[in-house]
Order: sequence, then structure tokens, then C-alpha cells
Amino acid sequence: KAGVTQTPRYLIKTRGQQVTLSCSPISGHRSVSWYQQTPGQGLQFLFEYFSETQRNKGNFPGRFSGRQFSNSRSEMNVSTLELGDSALYLCASSLGQISTDTQYFGPGTRLTVL
Amino acid sequence: QKEVEQDPGPLSVPEGAIVSLNCTYSNSAFQYFMWYRQYSRKGPELLMYTYSSGNKEDGRFTAQVDKSSKYISLFIRDSQPSDSATYLCAMSIPGNQFYFGTGTSLTVIP
Repeated sequence: KAGVTQTPRYLIKTRGQQVTLSCSPISGHRSVSWYQQTPGQGLQFLFEYFSETQRNKGNFPGRFSGRQFSNSRSEMNVSTLELGDSALYLCASSLGQISTDTQYFGPGTRLTVL
Repeated sequence: QKEVEQDPGPLSVPEGAIVSLNCTYSNSAFQYFMWYRQYSRKGPELLMYTYSSGNKEDGRFTAQVDKSSKYISLFIRDSQPSDSATYLCAMSIPGNQFYFGTGTSLTVIP
């Protein structure tokens, strides 16, 4: 079974721009979560989608948004990029329940904001 | 105060050593506890998953949860160079998000 895929793997943007990241979960998984990973803060939860609905949300500003499509694929958008948004963005999928089902992570998208 | 605290290391041990990795937490509502391993340029992969207090063993890995002390540990026996990675603890409340530690970087020297 194919794992979680994320595109693109690397991205360089400038301040003020916006960016869209994509995640394709494991076939049959309906929950997709997004995380931001930085050396100082570690992995921080952004949001979780289940059946096209946002089910949980972390403490990030409204510039960070996401959506999930009917095939469970998910996108994350960051508008008005700031230098501090430079990070590894990870997507994880699971069967259903975020807190009990095993989460499988993708390789991440490395975003650099100049 | 962060929900989950983890010593970032780095930790360097000789091959064959026993490794102890630890996390503390502040929220007594956490019930699910996990350890992930992350190799360079890869996403985290689940190593161990435990519910509530107690021990769980899987091969060379043992996870311990002490809810009274709000302290979890991962022990690696007979460590191998292939164990060199960053180890992340994570925990959650039923129906809620995961909270991760910042990760401990481990190097096992042949």
C-alpha cells in the first residue's frame, strides 16, 4: 500500500506571498492532520480534517488554512508568508480517530521564506 | 509552560549501550502516549503506542508511562547505529490533537 505523499517536497517563497501544499493520504484513510516542525518548537499541530470537515484546530493564525476533498486528499494554504513560517510541514493520515488511530506521516514539504 | 517537555540532547552512545529517553508533561488528561522515530529528511514513524500507565515492550524497545509523575520513557536495549535518529514523544487526549515533544537527537557510535 502506498504511503502518504506530499508535494512539493521543497519550496522557496518570499515574504508576502502565499503557498499551497498538497497531501495524499494512504488509501482508505479519512483523517488528515497537518503539522509544522521547526527546530525550536518541534512538531506543532495545525489542524485535522475528517470527511471534508475540520475536526480539530491548533493555535495558529488565520493565515494558515486547509481543506479536504471528497477523495480525502488535503491541501494547506499559508497566505502573506512571514520569515517565521520557514519550516517542515508534515501531513499525517489515519483511519479515523486522531487520538487513537496510528498516524502515518509523509516526508514533509520543506518551506523556506526569504 | 509547554504541554510536553523533552530534552533535545544531542545524545551520543556507543553501540550496544542501553539508551533512555524521557518526556514530562503537565496535562493530567493525556491518556495516549506514543514514541516516534524520525530519520533525517523523513517524516516521523510510530515506534510505540501505550494507553494510560504501565510498560510495553516490543523487541529492543520498552515504553514506560508513569501518570502519577507525568513522566514517560523509552528504553532502547543493545542500541545499533541504525537507531541513530531523532526520537519524539507524543501524547493525546481522546478525540483531541496530539502534542509532541521537541525531539531528542540520538547518535549510536559503531
